[in-house]
Amino acid sequence: QKEVEQDPGPLSVPEGAIVSLNCTYSNSAFQYFMWYRQYSRKGPELLMYTYSSGNKEDGRFTAQVDKSSKYISLFIRDSQPSDSATYLCAMSAGTGGFKTIFGAGTRLFVKA
Amino acid sequence: GAVVSQHPSWVICKSGTSVKIECRSLDFQATTMFWYRQFPKQSLMLMATSNEGSKATYEQGVEKDKFLINHASLTLSTLTVTSAHPEDSSFYICSVGVGNQPQHFGDGTRLSIL
Repeated sequence: QKEVEQDPGPLSVPEGAIVSLNCTYSNSAFQYFMWYRQYSRKGPELLMYTYSSGNKEDGRFTAQVDKSSKYISLFIRDSQPSDSATYLCAMSAGTGGFKTIFGAGTRLFVKA
Repeated sequence: GAVVSQHPSWVICKSGTSVKIECRSLDFQATTMFWYRQFPKQSLMLMATSNEGSKATYEQGVEKDKFLINHASLTLSTLTVTSAHPEDSSFYICSVGVGNQPQHFGDGTRLSIL
């Protein structure tokens, strides 16, 4: 079993839809939970990160962490064609020099 | 501005040559940098952790003599792919881990070995 499981998709939605992306994990030592967005042939861009359980909102993006279920989510409201990218969940036991474990990435297509 | 600068962004070279990729931390002094490899439509695979002033820590299955890492200053780490072969063609990405922040990534280097 992988430490982090993420459905690779692809996920195709119409413009304006609410997108839900999810990951599950098995390592209870993870304390930091990140979502990165990666466009084709570019490095991952940090979207949001959360420490421990809870919700965090930033504009159209909301990240949720449920440590009891070992389940994290990213919601995108009013999705735009420019949101089309691969979304990677990532987790670590700490920041700085701690290793980060990545999910497989979900490819999202938002159709105009 | 960008936190991490990676150079070159794309390199094509002949089989058997060595290629050096640079990763610079622009905004922070980074004692730790990470090197990843990513194949098409796959996730990032950690190759090694680069520690300033000491030897890099390689992940299992990564040949340290093939992928030479040097982290001589707090703002620069280099990855040299020695005697590169077509199977080394991939997307190489570095990241910086600083303090209480998650990793920030460079824009990656696309390496094509002919």
